[in-house]
Amino acid sequence: GQNIDQPTEMTATEGAIVQINCTYQTSGFNGLFWYQQHAGEAPTFLSYNVLDGLEEKGRFSSFLSRSKGYSYLLLKELQMKDSASYLCAVREGQGGKLIFGQGTELSVKP
Amino acid sequence: DVKVTQSSRYLVKRTGEKVFLECVQDMDHENMFWYRQDPGLGLRLIYFSYDVKMKEKGDIPEGYSVSREKKERFSLILESASTNQTSMYLCASGGAGGYGQYFGPGTRLTVT
Repeated sequence: GQNIDQPTEMTATEGAIVQINCTYQTSGFNGLFWYQQHAGEAPTFLSYNVLDGLEEKGRFSSFLSRSKGYSYLLLKELQMKDSASYLCAVREGQGGKLIFGQGTELSVKP
Repeated sequence: DVKVTQSSRYLVKRTGEKVFLECVQDMDHENMFWYRQDPGLGLRLIYFSYDVKMKEKGDIPEGYSVSREKKERFSLILESASTNQTSMYLCASGGAGGYGQYFGPGTRLTVT
């Protein structure tokens, strides 16, 4: 069956680094996505991994290990505006359907 | 820039009313999706469509129907609104490429 797990909440300090983990069990894996969602707003795309390894994009990086069913999102030089929910999502097969985790609520403190 | 728009940001309806939520995308995407999002439950897929006049049930289709008469437009219909359908409704399109799905701004529906 499909299962995506990520921590419910995390807290970090401004300027620090935080890693948000995501584990998944799916069939027909065809990519993993990370989205950011601020309160009351729509999710916005952050990153995409389909092959093993690290994808870096500015302060944000995402890692994937397909054999372990594991990904993480790394946020560096945290800013207050990074306080948001971070959603891990897996695509199965060739269509566009995504399976979403429940999201990790990140609070950045001064 | 991809744009997904939804007909209303906030909507208040009475129990038993028929409710239409409209979604329009301007990127010629074949795939369109309707989700609801509730605290502690995350994003749950209601219905999706891979092409005009095609629809498939998601994880929680009960109490909902959809219509896709044109490629750019995907409508969610609550046949007889109930209080447990009070939620944030999000429409999305795309998903087959490397940018995943693009989301509309959401409609916060309250059923009283």
